[in-house]
Amino acid sequence: EPEVTQTPSHQVTQMGQEVILRCVPISNHLYFYWYRQILGQKVEFLVSFYNNEISEKSEIFDDQFSVERPDGSNFTLKIRSTKLEDSAMYFCASIEGGTGVEKLFFGSGTQLSVL
Amino acid sequence: KQEVTQIPAALSVPEGENLVLNCSFTDSAIYNLQWFRQDPGKGLTSLLLIQSSQREQTSGRLNASLDKSSGRSTLYIAASQPGDSATYLCAVKDSNYQLIWGAGTKLIIKP
Repeated sequence: EPEVTQTPSHQVTQMGQEVILRCVPISNHLYFYWYRQILGQKVEFLVSFYNNEISEKSEIFDDQFSVERPDGSNFTLKIRSTKLEDSAMYFCASIEGGTGVEKLFFGSGTQLSVL
Repeated sequence: KQEVTQIPAALSVPEGENLVLNCSFTDSAIYNLQWFRQDPGKGLTSLLLIQSSQREQTSGRLNASLDKSSGRSTLYIAASQPGDSATYLCAVKDSNYQLIWGAGTKLIIKP
């Protein structure tokens, strides 16, 4: 079965450093998402991306965050200057269409630890 | 504002029992509801997706129901096995196409 792939599985960084989290969505999918889950808390929506631009973003997705689809297969989340509170599991997800009725496929996540 | 609640937060049952996990949401204007499974330190696996026009979906030993008017969904697991131990999350896609998540029910199946 096709799957969403995320790398790395774990990332440790110092506060203030930039990190890039990478995702390869399922190849025929058109809508891409980033979610995060702080330890012990609910999953939170960060951003959705379609047709090479952001379609929705949450309040969490401030100027420190950016997303890119640089080469037609990768989908990246960049955090410019990490803060301690950015420590979380970050999930990438994709949907084949965007009708609001499609099943969401998630990657296995990147555990980000900011020291 | 849509809120999703899952009760109980944790559940421990002996192997072989049938069990029900509950999910409630405050706004009935949803597009769909999904049940996910999360294993410790791992990703999220979609188990069942129920469209707003549907009442239930089944996959193997799992059956999910949806009562939109009352803002409730249940996930029924038949003949539970130790491998079913995980955290089960429900999420609704709201009128803004956003997924709103519950906090999950941590399920432990005792051998």
